[in-house]
Amino acid sequence: EAGVVQSPRYKIIEKKQPVAFWCNPISGHNTLYWYRQNLGQGPELLIRYENEEAVDDSQLPKDRFSAERLKGVDSTLKIQPAELGDSAVYLCASSLTAGVYNEQFFGPGTRLTVL
Amino acid sequence: AQKITQTQPGMFVQEKEAVTLDCTYDTSDQSYGLFWYKQPSSGEMIFLIYQGSYDEQNATEGRYSLNFQKARKSANLVISASQLGDSAMYFCAMRESNGGTSYGKLTFGQGTILTVHP
Repeated sequence: EAGVVQSPRYKIIEKKQPVAFWCNPISGHNTLYWYRQNLGQGPELLIRYENEEAVDDSQLPKDRFSAERLKGVDSTLKIQPAELGDSAVYLCASSLTAGVYNEQFFGPGTRLTVL
Repeated sequence: AQKITQTQPGMFVQEKEAVTLDCTYDTSDQSYGLFWYKQPSSGEMIFLIYQGSYDEQNATEGRYSLNFQKARKSANLVISASQLGDSAMYFCAMRESNGGTSYGKLTFGQGTILTVHP
C-alpha cells in the first residue's frame, strides 16, 4: 500500500513569492491534515479536512495561507505571499477517520526555505 | 499550559542497552490516545506505538514499549536493545476526544533527540 505522497520535497523561494505544496493521502483515508514543523519543534496542526470539508482551520494564517481538498482526495496548501518566518517543514498526514484511536500516517514533508 | 511535555532535549545510550524517553501529558478528557513517533534526519514521521487511555496493559511493539502511568499522566517510551539506527528525534503526541473542531488533532511535544553510541 502506498503511503502519503508529498511534493515537492524541497522548495527555496524569495520572500513575497507564492508557493504551493501538494499531498496525496493513503487511498480510502477520509481525514487529511496539514502540519507545520519549525526547526527543533514538534509539528503543529494547520488544517484538518474531513473528506472535502475543512473542519478545523483555526491555526491557519488565513491572510496568506489557503488550502483545498478537491473531491476529498488530493490536497494543496498555498502560501501567498511567503514571509521569512514561513521557513519550515510542511507535513501532510492522513487517517481513516478522525477518531482518537486512529493512527495518522505522515508523508515525507516539504522543506520550505524563504530567503 | 503545555499539553505534552518532553523534558529531555537529548539522550545518549550505548548500543544494545535500554533507554527510556519521558513524556507527561495534561488533559481533562477521559478518552484519549497517546502516540510515539520517530523522526530520523530524513524528516518523515514514523509511527512507533500507541496507548489508549482505557487500555489496562502497557502497549508493546517489538523493541518498543510504553510505560503508561495514568494517575501520574505519564507515557514514557522504552526502547530495549538500542541499535545505531534508533538515533533520531522522538516525539510524544496526544489525541483528545473533546468535541468540537479540535477533535482528532494530534498535539506534539518538543521532542527528544536520541543518540545511540556504538
